[in-house]
Amino acid sequence: GESVGLHLPTLSVQEGDNSIINCAYSNSASDYFIWYKQESGKGPQFIIDIRSNMDKRQGQRVTVLLNKTVKHLSLQIAATQPGDSAVYFCAEKYSGYGNKLVFGAGTILRVKS
Amino acid sequence: KAGVTQTPRYLIKTRGQQVTLSCSPISGHRSVSWYQQTPGQGLQFLFEYFSETQRNKGNFPGRFSGRQFSNSRSEMNVSTLELGDSALYLCASSFPDDEQYFGPGTRLTVT
Repeated sequence: GESVGLHLPTLSVQEGDNSIINCAYSNSASDYFIWYKQESGKGPQFIIDIRSNMDKRQGQRVTVLLNKTVKHLSLQIAATQPGDSAVYFCAEKYSGYGNKLVFGAGTILRVKS
Repeated sequence: KAGVTQTPRYLIKTRGQQVTLSCSPISGHRSVSWYQQTPGQGLQFLFEYFSETQRNKGNFPGRFSGRQFSNSRSEMNVSTLELGDSALYLCASSFPDDEQYFGPGTRLTVT
């Protein structure tokens, strides 16, 4: 398969702090990147996306940064809340392959109250 | 607008049996993709259908197949089930590309 065997890293933050979740992607031809949030028992939920012609994109309380030089993606969550606790996945897509997404392993975010 | 729906939500099958899972995309969405999620391998792409045609396929054996109907609803089928097929099967829809919205998944347990 294209995802490595999983031992998910965990990020623990205090409520109200900012969170930064990192992701390394694999294909230098990928031109579209997405962050998803998955809560227990649910499917992945779209958070924010960014195209390869951008370096930064902001949403509500979230910012995605893309560094194509080192094939790195990050998700910043401002003022983290308990409801942000979940597994976060980055995904990459190359438009020449239709809608095939290649997912990273995921990061567990735990927010302490 | 209703989200992506998947049926059934839970399924228990025996080795050697076959199973069919269903996915109804968001209204107006024409692309449906299927993914398998397991603790060991994470989220892996199975295949994508667009306008009733398979547009892309992942690295899964031929026991995994799918189809899409004219109303964009999609089904996937797994024949000759193996224990390793136990997973959460997710479908995602988009119109027609980029933002993909996932359904809640079907939890398949093979005993």
